Amino acid sequence: AQTVTQSQPEMSVQEAETVTLSCTYDTSESNYYLFWYKQPPSRQMILVIRQEAYKQQNATENRFSVNFQKAAKSFSLKISDSQLGDTAMYFCAFCPGNQFYFGTGTSLTVIP
Amino acid sequence: EPEVTQTPSHQVTQMGQEVILRCVPISNHLYFYWYRQILGQKVEFLVSFYNNEISEKSEIFDDQFSVERPDGSNFTLKIRSTKLEDSAMYFCASSGPNHNYEQYFGPGTRLTVT
Repeated sequence: AQTVTQSQPEMSVQEAETVTLSCTYDTSESNYYLFWYKQPPSRQMILVIRQEAYKQQNATENRFSVNFQKAAKSFSLKISDSQLGDTAMYFCAFCPGNQFYFGTGTSLTVIP
Repeated sequence: EPEVTQTPSHQVTQMGQEVILRCVPISNHLYFYWYRQILGQKVEFLVSFYNNEISEKSEIFDDQFSVERPDGSNFTLKIRSTKLEDSAMYFCASSGPNHNYEQYFGPGTRLTVT
């Protein structure tokens, strides 16, 4: 069975500080993609960053970076220099090719 | 940049009515999906569609649901007789043409059943 676990339902961070959101997953697949999505109050799903499982190098997208540990099946998201606009729900997702499996989300609040 | 579009953005319907949610996937994509997110919960897979047929569906996708690609551009989700518990955000996604790992999500349709 494919599962995605986000163990932090809520987190907060001071503006300009760094925060890390955790995600673990379980799969027997060897090739897959991992994603972090941001969902603001509008509920639109906005892609933040993606990682291909066969790539060793951690993905980076401006202030967002991941720590991908394939053996540990861990995929955490680091947000540097947090901004008020980063306040949102963040979903970790895993895709082995047929469908997406989402975690339950982490609600992040950036405090001014 | 090409994007997935969905209409309407918000649909209100009465229990027992039929609704059709519409999606226009990215034009050269071959794989299409519907997902559902009940308020406060995670996004859940409903169905995937490829080569004019359902390739996979979840337990949620029962006989009340159907999907169709009526022409070369639209991809629809029909709920025959809506229930209160169908109230949710419905996301369409598409991927391809070479692989289906990277799914692009539409902005969603908020369905409210009263």
